Amino acid sequence: KAGVTQTPRYLIKTRGQQVTLSCSPISGHRSVSWYQQTPGQGLQFLFEYFSETQRNKGNFPGRFSGRQFSNSRSEMNVSTLELGDSALYLCASSFSSGDSYEQYFGPGTRLTVT
Amino acid sequence: AQSVAQPEDQVNVAEGNPLTVKCTYSVSGNPYLFWYVQYPNRGLQFLLKYITGDNLVKGSYGFEAEFNKSQTSFHLKKPSALVSDSALYFCAVRAANSGNTPLVFGKGTRLSVIA
Repeated sequence: KAGVTQTPRYLIKTRGQQVTLSCSPISGHRSVSWYQQTPGQGLQFLFEYFSETQRNKGNFPGRFSGRQFSNSRSEMNVSTLELGDSALYLCASSFSSGDSYEQYFGPGTRLTVT
Repeated sequence: AQSVAQPEDQVNVAEGNPLTVKCTYSVSGNPYLFWYVQYPNRGLQFLLKYITGDNLVKGSYGFEAEFNKSQTSFHLKKPSALVSDSALYFCAVRAANSGNTPLVFGKGTRLSVIA
């Protein structure tokens, strides 16, 4: 099976712009989670989608949003970019939501905001 | 609330020696525990998990982890370290039967295996 894919892999944006990141989960996986990884804060949970519904949301401002499509692919959007949004954004998929299911991660999208 | 602590930011070990990466957790009730590894410029890779049963869990690449309920720990171990094991290791926890609560990750421990 193909793994989790994320596009684009690298992105450079300017403050104030918006960005959309895409994630394709492993075939058959219906849950997609997004994380922000920075050296100082580690892995911070953004949100989780399951069957097109947001199941959980982390402690991030409303500028961060996401959605999931009927084929389980997911996108996240960040509006009005700030310098502090520079990070590695990781997408992870799992067969189902919660409990004992392990997550499988994509390679990430490295976002740099200048 | 769930939390994970990885008390060591960095662990150095000589190749061929045993390695241990420490993890302690806090949850209400029983835990589901996970270890992941991240190589440079890559996403996280799942290594192993503890759900229930035997306290010693075996995973990928020769890694194993021991669940200790009384000490609320889930340390990652390998009998003989390889240079290629050098990476960033994350422990994660979720309370069992907690519905849809997200995984909580530790800050990570950087393992350096020296030849």
